[in-house]
Amino acid sequence: DIQMTQSPSSLSASVGDRVTITCRASQTINTFLNWYQQKPGKAPKLLIYAASSLQSGVPSRFSGSGSGTDFTLTISSLQAEDFATYYCQQSFSTPRTFGQGTKLEIK
Amino acid sequence: EVQLVESGGGLVQPGGSLRLSCTASGFSYITFSMNWVRQVPGKGLEWVSYISSSSNTIYYADSVKGRFTISRDNAKNSLYLQMNSLRDEDTAVYYCAREKITGSRTFFDYWGQGALVTVSS
Repeated sequence: DIQMTQSPSSLSASVGDRVTITCRASQTINTFLNWYQQKPGKAPKLLIYAASSLQSGVPSRFSGSGSGTDFTLTISSLQAEDFATYYCQQSFSTPRTFGQGTKLEIK
Repeated sequence: EVQLVESGGGLVQPGGSLRLSCTASGFSYITFSMNWVRQVPGKGLEWVSYISSSSNTIYYADSVKGRFTISRDNAKNSLYLQMNSLRDEDTAVYYCAREKITGSRTFFDYWGQGALVTVSS
């Protein structure tokens, strides 16, 4: 199975900050990498697919990059509604493994 | 509007069985593969099972293989997860998720609201 490791596990930031979350795969996955946002008590929401493609309706302050084993999710200017937990997921092979999550909290 | 609605969650004793359902609407269900993903309260996401649009291809996580069975009824726009021999560690919120393919890339673009399964004596 492909292991997905996110860093950091938690992050404190302020509204307006630029934030970057990283995700590393245990083997190369090309750009078979997706990012999800989850708020407490809610289902995950797709943000980015294929490493860098923005899902329809997602604000342009979210962006993704990377290929191979190393990926990043960047929020260019944090808004209040962005405080949530973020997960990466590989779709290169089954099982479709997720990272452990990065909890983004208000500083 | 795409909607996925899970039902069938509840409290069950260890060793017991439960069947989850997911009813889809707002899209051509027969053309999409579907998945179940679970989340232990306060923990991360774990993919559980996959079924192709025609049910020809099915996959399971090792943690549920041999105990859980995924199925679908395209005439009823419904997805199912039959869970047998349940264990304490199966306690989780179970989400159904639609799988979309763009190019060769797949992702879960719509999720249900989740169904809580609690395994406890």
